[in-house]
Amino acid sequence: AQTVTQSQPEMSVQEAETVTLSCTYDTSESDYYLFWYKQPPSRQMILVIRQEAYKQQNATENRFSVNFQKAAKSFSLKISDSQLGDAAMYFCAYLDSGTYKYIFGTGTRLKVLA
Amino acid sequence: EPEVTQTPSHQVTQMGQEVILRCVPISNHLYFYWYRQILGQKVEFLVSFYNNEISEKSEIFDDQFSVERPDGSNFTLKIRSTKLEDSAMYFCASSVDSRGYGYTFGSGTRLTVV
Repeated sequence: AQTVTQSQPEMSVQEAETVTLSCTYDTSESDYYLFWYKQPPSRQMILVIRQEAYKQQNATENRFSVNFQKAAKSFSLKISDSQLGDAAMYFCAYLDSGTYKYIFGTGTRLKVLA
Repeated sequence: EPEVTQTPSHQVTQMGQEVILRCVPISNHLYFYWYRQILGQKVEFLVSFYNNEISEKSEIFDDQFSVERPDGSNFTLKIRSTKLEDSAMYFCASSVDSRGYGYTFGSGTRLTVV
């Protein structure tokens, strides 16, 4: 069965600095998708970025980018120029292409310090 | 931007009572999902629904749970006889296809069973 591990329960970053959130996963599949979701205090789940496993190029969305290492089964999220509004819980998620369901990690709480 | 709408935002119910959580997915989406998040824990898959039937369900989704798309726009989750451990945030989500674009989540319904 697939698993997703986020080993950092909490991270802090100074405003305008860069922070990297870690995620590793385990799967025997070759075709899958990976995502980062943001959950602010409102508890809404907001899609931050997605990565197709068959693409070697790392996904980028404005200040958010990923470092996808398929062989190492690693999928970290880098947030550049951190802003106060980035403070939230961040979940890494694996989309099972057979069952079409997400498997989420336990989350990393990001604090942004002014 | 299209949204997934969930009602109510918060529901308190007595143990043993039936509850129905309601969701209006994005109109051109074909795949529908329910997830739940017990406070402080990770988001867990409950069920996926496509073409008017359940595609996949987790071990959490036992006989106490059911889903329905009664009128082509609403998507409901019914819990027949609530238990204290059903207290959680319940998220509805929809997607235009089954692969890779990511879901759009609703803002969630906080269910409190007393």
